[in-house]
Amino acid sequence: AAGVIQSPRHLIKEKRETATLKCYPIPRHDTVYWYQQGPGQDPQFLISFYEKMQSDKGSIPDRFSAQQFSDYHSELNMSSLELGDSALYFCASSNRVLNTEAFFGQGTRLTVV
Amino acid sequence: AQSVTQLDSQVPVFEEAPVELRCNYSSSVSVYLFWYVQYPNQGLQLLLKYLSGSTLVESINGFEAEFNKSQTSFHLRKPSVHISDTAEYFCAVKASSSASKIIFGSGTRLSIRP
Repeated sequence: AAGVIQSPRHLIKEKRETATLKCYPIPRHDTVYWYQQGPGQDPQFLISFYEKMQSDKGSIPDRFSAQQFSDYHSELNMSSLELGDSALYFCASSNRVLNTEAFFGQGTRLTVV
Repeated sequence: AQSVTQLDSQVPVFEEAPVELRCNYSSSVSVYLFWYVQYPNQGLQLLLKYLSGSTLVESINGFEAEFNKSQTSFHLRKPSVHISDTAEYFCAVKASSSASKIIFGSGTRLSIRP
């Protein structure tokens, strides 16, 4: 079965650079969530989208922005990167009508040096 | 709002011993409950879920969890663990209405000793 696809899987950036993370949800899933998991931490909710509109917002820094496109894929844009942004970034998708669990991608490991 | 508390940050057990990972939640609305497992350097995998119906749910690899509404708990159990069960386990909660976000507990690291 198709799963949530995230790209890239690994990314190394320098401080003050920008990064773009991509997420391709499971077909027919209309909701996308982004999470950040720091080393030894639990996943923290950043932001979610439903039908291309922001549906909820968590602890997402102002330096980050995200959007969901017409094909339902989503991108997380991160600017002025800081060392503390180094983390595993997960995307998850779900279908609002079915309203069950969210399915997670394998994550993008971002390292800021 | 919902919250999840995992009471144990680490649980060391011997191989073939039983284990229980504790999880309590707080919510003013009805919820769905989940256990996710994360193996080293990997993503989050859904282990089992409670949506409705039977309060005892099971996974394909021998884990089970019981939803206890009166105690607001969703403890994870396995009667006999294997070395391959070594991982981080996250309990998670989601409001059952609409596509609300999943909120994770702080995780429990299960380490299996031979």
